[in-house]
Amino acid sequence: DQQVKQNSPSLSVQEGRISILNCDYTNSMFDYFLWYKKYPAEGPTFLISISSIKDKNEDGRFTVFLNKSAKHLSLHIVPSQPGDSAVYFCAASRSNDYKLSFGAGTTVTVRA
Amino acid sequence: EPEVTQTPSHQVTQMGQEVILRCVPISNHLYFYWYRQILGQKVEFLVSFYNNEISEKSEIFDDQFSVERPDGSNFTLKIRSTKLEDSAMYFCASSGPTGVGQPQHFGDGTRLSIL
Repeated sequence: DQQVKQNSPSLSVQEGRISILNCDYTNSMFDYFLWYKKYPAEGPTFLISISSIKDKNEDGRFTVFLNKSAKHLSLHIVPSQPGDSAVYFCAASRSNDYKLSFGAGTTVTVRA
Repeated sequence: EPEVTQTPSHQVTQMGQEVILRCVPISNHLYFYWYRQILGQKVEFLVSFYNNEISEKSEIFDDQFSVERPDGSNFTLKIRSTKLEDSAMYFCASSGPTGVGQPQHFGDGTRLSIL
């Protein structure tokens, strides 16, 4: 399933700076997008979502941006904290569908 | 905060044996899911379940797999005759009340090792 792509396997950022994670999708029928964070030996934890009727959604330090024409979304974390070091997954679904399609994940390391 | 719980955390089984993975979804959720992640690969959808029946399943979810909600709190995934390639992390998830357009919340997974 190559419908959701995270092309950067890893990202290293200094504590206090902004982390920007990117995600591209190919299925134009996707209209609901989510970001999950995953620590080792734990399941994915829901972070933030956005529906296709919006182009931005913000929740505390996390903001997701959606560019439908480019089939691209991004997650901004600001300021980055050491506890943000984890794998971040982008996921997408269609409104008449139950399954989530996941990207391969981006490993974020926040340096002190 | 309510969470999805999965047992066991690690299951080791001989090839050809049956295995049952157990999940307790979040109590007021109505939609339930199983996903798996083979080592080094993406998280893959297996099946979704609502109102005591399968609402959607992937091509992975063949006749060897089944799901059940035996009571008001548990949701199980059964693999009838395990194969080596069934070795993976299996994640249960739940969402509600409308299912679509709502975030799915995941358990910590069961690591299934087939010998």
